Amino acid sequence: QKEVEQNSGPLSVPEGAIASLNCTYSDRGSQSFFWYRQYSGKSPELIMSIYSNGDKEDGRFTAQLNKASQYVSLLIRDSQPSDSATYLCAPGRAGTALIFGKGTTLSVSS
Amino acid sequence: GAVVSQHPSRVICKSGTSVKIECRSLDFQATTMFWYRQFPKQSLMLMATSNEGSKATYEQGVEKDKFLINHASLTLSTLTVTSAHPEDSSFYICSARTASGGDNEQFFGPGTRLTVL
Repeated sequence: QKEVEQNSGPLSVPEGAIASLNCTYSDRGSQSFFWYRQYSGKSPELIMSIYSNGDKEDGRFTAQLNKASQYVSLLIRDSQPSDSATYLCAPGRAGTALIFGKGTTLSVSS
Repeated sequence: GAVVSQHPSRVICKSGTSVKIECRSLDFQATTMFWYRQFPKQSLMLMATSNEGSKATYEQGVEKDKFLINHASLTLSTLTVTSAHPEDSSFYICSARTASGGDNEQFFGPGTRLTVL
C-alpha cells in the first residue's frame, strides 16, 4: 500500500513569512515528486516538480527532496494571502498514476 | 500548453440516471488519462487509469460496471456514472499525461461536480 503522509494543518502563517510544508512517502520506487496547489472547489494546479535529491527553486517556491529519508518539502517565501490553499504532495513512478496525500491546508493572514 | 478540459463542470441528476463526463486534452495527445474522485475535505482518490485504445484499469473497490470509462482517442476520455445514487455525489477530476510522459507530469482538468438527488 503506497502511502503519502502530510500534516493536514491548518498551517497558519502571517503575510510575508515562510511557510514550510512537509511530506513523507512509503514507495521507495518513486522517481518524480510533485506539489500541487488546490483552492477550495477547484482542481489541483501543478506548482513544483522535483526529481533529484536537493533543492529546486522557482520564484518564491523551493522544493526539497531527500530520497534516503523518503521526504519531500515545499517552502513558500514571502507568503501572500493568495497562497492560502491546500497543498498536495504527489510522488510517482514513471508510467503510473500519481498518488496524493491528504494535503496541508495553509492559511496566510494579512 | 498542456490544457485539459472537462464537461460538464456541474451536473445535477436524479437517482437512477446515468451521467457522462468528458475529459479532453486540448493541445497535446494524451496516451494515458486518469480519473479521480474527491469527497469534501478528502484527498483525490484514483479511480481508474485509461489508456487510449484499451480497457481501463480500475483501482480496488471501484466498480467497473458502474463507472464506465472509454478512451477512444488520444484527446478524449469519458466517464459514465451509471445508475447514479446520492452516494456518488462527488467532485470528479480527470488528468492527462502527455504522449512522451517522461517526466510523469499529470495535467488536471477543472473537475465536474456531480450532485445526485
